[in-house]
Amino acid sequence: EAGVTQSPTHLIKTRGQQATLRCSPISGHTSVYWYQQALGLGLQFLLWYDEGEERNRGNFPPRFSGRQFPNYSSELNVNALELEDSALYLCASSKLFGTQGPSGNTIYFGEGSWLTVV
Amino acid sequence: DQQVKQNSPSLSVQEGRISILNCDYTNSMFDYFLWYKKYPAEGPTFLISISSIKDKNEDGRFTVFLNKSAKHLSLHIVPSQPGDSAVYFCAAKAPGTYKYIFGTGTRLKVLA
Repeated sequence: EAGVTQSPTHLIKTRGQQATLRCSPISGHTSVYWYQQALGLGLQFLLWYDEGEERNRGNFPPRFSGRQFPNYSSELNVNALELEDSALYLCASSKLFGTQGPSGNTIYFGEGSWLTVV
Repeated sequence: DQQVKQNSPSLSVQEGRISILNCDYTNSMFDYFLWYKKYPAEGPTFLISISSIKDKNEDGRFTVFLNKSAKHLSLHIVPSQPGDSAVYFCAAKAPGTYKYIFGTGTRLKVLA
């Protein structure tokens, strides 16, 4: 069974440009999460989508946005890129919120997308 | 305000011995906890979880202990192997959400 897949693996953008990152969840998972890991820092929560709806948002400016498609895949958009946006962006997925049983409360991560802003 | 803390940035352990990774949290409402292992340039890999209604969960070489009164959890790896060398993150969530709060990680180095 395929895990969470993210694309692109690496992306280099110029300050002020827009970046789009994509994520496909594990088959059967309907929730998608985005986290940012800047160099030397922990994982910071960005966004949570559940069945197409934004459920929760972290402490990031509005230029970080995203959406979830009917097939549960998701994309993260970062507008007006700044140098400090350079980071590893991690996508995770889980079963529908509230699912009982094994792995019901667990989120599984993809390999991440490295965004470098120059 | 860091709700989940891993106060030891790094830990070195001899191969075959026990590795103990610690995590403290401040929110007594947290109801579920996860541990992940992360290699450089890779995504975090889920290791083990524990619900707040339990105080111990075991999976092979990995055991997680939860002390709710102290708001502390620990991950024990026995025996430690060189392949366990990685950064370990703990994460916690409150009821009604899957928004996990992560600690800053502990880098474990297992010496052969």
